[in-house]
Amino acid sequence: KAGVTQTPRYLIKTRGQQVTLSCSPISGHRSVSWYQQTPGQGLQFLFEYFSETQRNKGNFPGRFSGRQFSNSRSEMNVSTLELGDSALYLCASSSLTEYLSTDTQYFGPGTRLTVL
Amino acid sequence: AQSVAQPEDQVNVAEGNPLTVKCTYSVSGNPYLFWYVQYPNRGLQFLLKYITGDNLVKGSYGFEAEFNKSQTSFHLKKPSALVSDSALYFCAVSAILTGGGNKLTFGTGTQLKVEL
Repeated sequence: KAGVTQTPRYLIKTRGQQVTLSCSPISGHRSVSWYQQTPGQGLQFLFEYFSETQRNKGNFPGRFSGRQFSNSRSEMNVSTLELGDSALYLCASSSLTEYLSTDTQYFGPGTRLTVL
Repeated sequence: AQSVAQPEDQVNVAEGNPLTVKCTYSVSGNPYLFWYVQYPNRGLQFLLKYITGDNLVKGSYGFEAEFNKSQTSFHLKKPSALVSDSALYFCAVSAILTGGGNKLTFGTGTQLKVEL
């Protein structure tokens, strides 16, 4: 099976702009999660989608949003970019059923966002 | 709330020697524990997980991890290190979320350097 794919791999934006990142999960996986990785804060959970519904959200401002499509592909959007949004954004998919917390999350290569 | 600690920012080991990367955790309820590895400019790669059962878990690329409930530890081990094992290693704990699904809480990572 093909792994998790993320596009684009690299992005450069300026403050105040908005950005959309895309994630295609492993075929058959219905759960998609997003994480932000920075040198200062490490890996932090952004949100998780299952069957087109956001089930959980981490402690991030409302400028961070996302959605999931019927084919399980997901996008995340960051509006009004700030310098501190520069990070590696990682998408992960799992074949999670509604209640299990033991399923493995498989990560994509990430999108490196630089905000100038 | 769950948390993971990786007490060593960096571990240096000579090729051919055994390696250990330490991880301790704090959770309420059953711990579901994971190890991931990250190579430069790459996403996270799943190595192994502990859900229940045998305290010694075997994973990919010759890695294994030992779960110790009394010490709340989940140390990653390999009998004979390779230079190609040099990478950033993350320990993570999974928790059920109120909305269903799970999220991973990661440690700060340990940089493993294997030298000739």
